[in-house]
Amino acid sequence: AQSVAQPEDQVNVAEGNPLTVKCTYSVSGNPYLFWYVQYPNRGLQFLLKYITGDNLVKGSYGFEAEFNKSQTSFHLKKPSALVSDSALYFCAVRVLGGNTPLVFGKGTRLSVIA
Amino acid sequence: KAGVTQTPRYLIKTRGQQVTLSCSPISGHRSVSWYQQTPGQGLQFLFEYFSETQRNKGNFPGRFSGRQFSNSRSEMNVSTLELGDSALYLCASSLGSGGSGSYEQYFGPGTRLTVT
Repeated sequence: AQSVAQPEDQVNVAEGNPLTVKCTYSVSGNPYLFWYVQYPNRGLQFLLKYITGDNLVKGSYGFEAEFNKSQTSFHLKKPSALVSDSALYFCAVRVLGGNTPLVFGKGTRLSVIA
Repeated sequence: KAGVTQTPRYLIKTRGQQVTLSCSPISGHRSVSWYQQTPGQGLQFLFEYFSETQRNKGNFPGRFSGRQFSNSRSEMNVSTLELGDSALYLCASSLGSGGSGSYEQYFGPGTRLTVT
């Protein structure tokens, strides 16, 4: 079975500081990994994904994530946080080549303080 | 391209009633997935359809059902509503399905269902 853990329910960061939202995963096989963001009263928006290749993936709005196979992690990062980045962030995993659904973590609420 | 649309956006039903939610995917997308989002449980997977076939089903009771039409539009139905069914129901579409799971999903705004 596949699963995703987002160990922090809430992350607070000052505007202009770097931010990290943590994600670890568990799958039998190679993973496809995704990050999504949800703003209030909205659906989820795709940010970035790791399929294969370079472990550092760049996505929308200046976000990036690093795939670490040995630590089974896929942490989301941004060098300089904006107040507008405040939202709910979800990590998700799917097994490469398997006919399994996308599994989401519980989400991490990011608050960027001016 | 138009995004994923879901209708209705808001719905209030009484316990015991049934409800049908609709989802129109992005043009060209053949896969549609449904999720239930609640504050306590997060995002829970309901179903995934690809070319009118159910590819995956989540751990929900039989009161929850769905289908996909030949134009890729999808509906989900919940019968005999319970108070615990109150949630945001999200639909997502993608180009591919589980076997080609590298495709990202694009989400609609959701249908907010309140059961009283």
